[in-house]
Amino acid sequence: EVHLVESGGGVVRPGGSLRLSCAASGFTFDDYGMSWVRQVPGKGLEWVSNIKWNGGSTHYADSVRGRFTISRDNAKNSLYLQMNSLRAEDSAFYYCARHDTSGCSDYWGQGTLVTVSS
Amino acid sequence: QSVLTQPPSASGTPGQRATFSCSGSSSNIGNNYVYWYHQLPGTAPKLLIYRNYERPSGVPDRFSGSKSGTSASLAISGLRSDDEGDYYCATWDDSLRGVVFGGGTKLTVL
Repeated sequence: EVHLVESGGGVVRPGGSLRLSCAASGFTFDDYGMSWVRQVPGKGLEWVSNIKWNGGSTHYADSVRGRFTISRDNAKNSLYLQMNSLRAEDSAFYYCARHDTSGCSDYWGQGTLVTVSS
Repeated sequence: QSVLTQPPSASGTPGQRATFSCSGSSSNIGNNYVYWYHQLPGTAPKLLIYRNYERPSGVPDRFSGSKSGTSASLAISGLRSDDEGDYYCATWDDSLRGVVFGGGTKLTVL
């Protein structure tokens, strides 16, 4: 069974940094691309970033490009999101998700909450 | 403002059929597969339809997807109370080089 568990969320001040992690199990991690998707409570889904199975290609939403960095460690079956220069509008639940060759996700973690507030 | 357009709400009674629309453009729906998700409050989205009309194992055949040109649809037959929640469409956008979502449709089963 595919299992994705996010961690690293919390409260951070504007301009601060946070690193999210996602532990994957139940599938061959390095066979799949992975994504981060976020959701402000009560609002819709917003794709943040994705990374190819080998880390060789990454894409970012315009809203986070230059501030967020996605990475993965296939030896540890883990996905990461380094978030710098955080803004209040980055406050959201962040979901780790596995995606197929189309780029869209099939399995999602339960999310970790990031709150950017002074 | 979402790249894909979905009506904000829909409703139906148990046993009825409900349909959800998702409208995009040639750079997204028109040239890529469409995915549909169901989300209950406080939970992660769950995949309902992938690659326009395919159902993951475990998703009943009451759920069906279709695509025509730059629009896609999700249909649910035999509505049940546990079908309530938010439904999102998604696809890759070739111009934005990223995944785009619709704003979601909230389904109420009366």
